[in-house]
Amino acid sequence: AQSVTQLDSHVSVSEGTPVLLRCNYSSSYSPSLFWYVQHPNKGLQLLLKYTSAATLVKGINGFEAEFKKSETSFHLTKPSAHMSDAAEYFCVVRGDYKLSFGAGTTVTVRA
Amino acid sequence: EAGVVQSPRYKIIEKKQPVAFWCNPISGHNTLYWYLQNLGQGPELLIRYENEEAVDDSQLPKDRFSAERLKGVDSTLKIQPAELGDSAVYLCASSLGLGRDNEQFFGPGTRLTVL
Repeated sequence: AQSVTQLDSHVSVSEGTPVLLRCNYSSSYSPSLFWYVQHPNKGLQLLLKYTSAATLVKGINGFEAEFKKSETSFHLTKPSAHMSDAAEYFCVVRGDYKLSFGAGTTVTVRA
Repeated sequence: EAGVVQSPRYKIIEKKQPVAFWCNPISGHNTLYWYLQNLGQGPELLIRYENEEAVDDSQLPKDRFSAERLKGVDSTLKIQPAELGDSAVYLCASSLGLGRDNEQFFGPGTRLTVL
């Protein structure tokens, strides 16, 4: 079985400052890991994915995540937050085909 | 290219009434998923279709929920009768297949409110 734990339910940052969203995973075998973003009244959008290639994964809109097997973590970062980054972010682990979502982290960006 | 289309976007009904949600996946996507997203939580899989066959419906509450994908394209999810606890967002997603590189694309969801 696989699962993810998002360590922060809410993160608030000032525009132009770094963003860090933390995620720990549990998987009985080599996982595929994803970060999705959900803006209000919009569908879930894939930010980036890790599928056993490079451990540092670059995604859209300046986001990146690092897979650390020793720490079972897949934290999402962005060097400089923009107002448009305000949204809900989900860390996701995939087993065979099934996606297991974390509870989500709400990001607010202060002007 | 059009994404996953869902309708209606919002639905308000009284408890014990029936309700249906419709999903049209991305053209050519054989795999279709229905997810349930409760407020403040991540989506959870209800059912997965491979073409017209429901290959995983283990999480679907079959006493009141049903789904179909008759021609292997669009799909309908039904609740009858609806209960207060069914208030949630129902998401549809599709993918080319089950391969690890096949991304699931999500629709905007249907927000159901049961009064």
